[in-house]
Amino acid sequence: GENVEQHPSTLSVQEGDSAVIKCTYSDSASNYFPWYKQELGKGPQLIIDIRSNVGEKKDQRIAVTLNKTAKHFSLHITETQPEDSAVYFCAAPQAGTALIFGKGTTLSVSS
Amino acid sequence: GAVVSQHPSWVICKSGTSVKIECRSLDFQATTMFWYRQFPKQSLMLMATSNEGSKATYEQGVEKDKFLINHASLTLSTLTVTSAHPEDSSFYICSARGEDGVPYEQYFGPGTRLTVT
Repeated sequence: GENVEQHPSTLSVQEGDSAVIKCTYSDSASNYFPWYKQELGKGPQLIIDIRSNVGEKKDQRIAVTLNKTAKHFSLHITETQPEDSAVYFCAAPQAGTALIFGKGTTLSVSS
Repeated sequence: GAVVSQHPSWVICKSGTSVKIECRSLDFQATTMFWYRQFPKQSLMLMATSNEGSKATYEQGVEKDKFLINHASLTLSTLTVTSAHPEDSSFYICSARGEDGVPYEQYFGPGTRLTVT
């Protein structure tokens, strides 16, 4: 089955800096890679996703890049703000059905 | 659009009792729903996949007789934790995939915090 590795587990940045979180996956057939943001006590919220037919996707301060050859994808947050502080999860589909999640990255943005 | 609700948001029950958690897709029909469990400071672990009108598929290590899943309609799936014990205390989260939605795209509910005393 699919295996997703995520790094780093914690990330602390100053407000205004950029943050990058990286994930690798094992199943070369996977073609959909979402990123979720989870705030304490809440369910995950989809913030951006990318499909295998593109290498990069951007939405305001958030971007995701995908390298299918190396089987890794990354989340980039620019001009970080305190409200970006949360746990971020990457995921990849397992056998075309459920999503398998990385272990999460706790992002702390200090002002 | 694509809103998923869960009820209750939190529940406390005594050891040995059963608890039912509901997951509803409010503005779309969900042919497939997923149940995840999340322990403190850990990731989401897939428990089972349920398809409307058929039996759920459980992940390895998840007891199907303990975690009963019913997906009786295109907008409702339920998870019943039977004979709950303190080690079942966790955050249970459901997600739903639309009937004609983009493959793999899932919408998550807000979660249910279960505490077994």
